[in-house]
Amino acid sequence: DAGITQSPRHKVTETGTPVTLRCHQTENHRYMYWYRQDPGHGLRLIHYSYGVKDTDKGEVSDGYSVSRSKTEDFLLTLESATSSQTSVYFCATEGQDSYNEQFFGPGTRLTVL
Amino acid sequence: QKEVEQNSGPLSVPEGAIASLNCTYSDRGSQSFFWYRQYSGKSPELIMSIYSNGDKEDGRFTAQLNKASQYVSLLIRDSQPSDSATYLCAAGGGNEKLTFGTGTRLTIIP
Repeated sequence: DAGITQSPRHKVTETGTPVTLRCHQTENHRYMYWYRQDPGHGLRLIHYSYGVKDTDKGEVSDGYSVSRSKTEDFLLTLESATSSQTSVYFCATEGQDSYNEQFFGPGTRLTVL
Repeated sequence: QKEVEQNSGPLSVPEGAIASLNCTYSDRGSQSFFWYRQYSGKSPELIMSIYSNGDKEDGRFTAQLNKASQYVSLLIRDSQPSDSATYLCAAGGGNEKLTFGTGTRLTIIP
């Protein structure tokens, strides 16, 4: 357990509605990441953050935005959810000890109807 | 496009045998390599990190790295039913980001 929580853990929503997922960490890590995991595609990076108000895009950022106003919280927003965004979303943070290690939160299962 | 390739499996191994999982990566600038274990419905769990050519052992797990061949492997000795999971390989460069393979599903047969 890397001190990461995600909320909600499960969500069902309708196409066109906005959705915000929250990642919270308690260990003051600088780097935080949002991934989605889909069958056949593995884990794909959506956005990441390297500090408060410092964020950058990953490989599948279209349709997603992020915000980080506090070190401990990294929010992922789907402005207008689509069925293609049905997925499991994982947040991750860097490790304490070794270079480039990442540790994952428990995940959020999102279904867009 | 940086890629990490894994055989999706399923790979079936008898209990007590050695399970061998393989991974190749496309980016020669990759400097760090990781193996994650993921049980069904759970999040990925880091089990091995390797940064230098050669072998690194941790309990029943051995990670092997060959940068010249752009090849990473994970050996699991004395395989147990609890080792049944999907194993994800990941590679990282100097930009604090990782690229993941799609995973190999391993089943240990009692």
